[in-house]
Amino acid sequence: DTGVSQDPRHKITKRGQNVTFRCDPISEHNRLYWYRQTLGQGPEFLTYFQNEAQLEKSRLLSNRFSAERPKGSFSTLEIQRTEQGDSAMYLCASSSGQGAGDEQFFGPGTRLTVL
Amino acid sequence: AQSVTQLDSHVSVSEGTPVLLRCNYSSSYSPSLFWYVQHPNKGLQLLLKYTSAATLVKGINGFEAEFKKSETSFHLTKPSAHMSDAAEYFCVVSVGALYQGGKLIFGQGTELSVKP
Repeated sequence: DTGVSQDPRHKITKRGQNVTFRCDPISEHNRLYWYRQTLGQGPEFLTYFQNEAQLEKSRLLSNRFSAERPKGSFSTLEIQRTEQGDSAMYLCASSSGQGAGDEQFFGPGTRLTVL
Repeated sequence: AQSVTQLDSHVSVSEGTPVLLRCNYSSSYSPSLFWYVQHPNKGLQLLLKYTSAATLVKGINGFEAEFKKSETSFHLTKPSAHMSDAAEYFCVVSVGALYQGGKLIFGQGTELSVKP
């Protein structure tokens, strides 16, 4: 399968712990996005990368959140000192970055539950 | 600023009847608009997109949408609903163009139920 993959699919953690999620985009895609989706809501943009450069971060991304894409391939999203409000589905998407009409291909998501 | 408003949080239709999911957008320039579908426990899938070409856009599974600039609308339709269409549908606008990243702004979603 050559789609976007995310790992793990589910993560349960206790408040205050750190968690890290991984996203592997479609191999030839140079743009990678992270979104967060809470129950009953549409996904909200968190951040995006053009190759290895992180070009934009949402105000939703507090200083407890950090994302990297070290070699312009896979990306990681780390949440430090998790809070119950961080419980959500974290979605990764990639695109070829050719223009405004690019389709973003989404992964299956990582569902985070903070107890 | 770009935004989308989905006018119905839930739509229920009978199998074989038409589907209409309504979406209004706000954009300071010519937008790129999309409809994505999310089935339970599955990832988001693109149904169709509008990028300033033809105003009537055809997508997968018999869905289509019409871009109406005068009404700032991008409603999704299908002539005949199928049970497998039951899912959450998101109207989406792309922010910026080639030089602004193209991040997506999602509506709140419309849950489509299809009754036998």
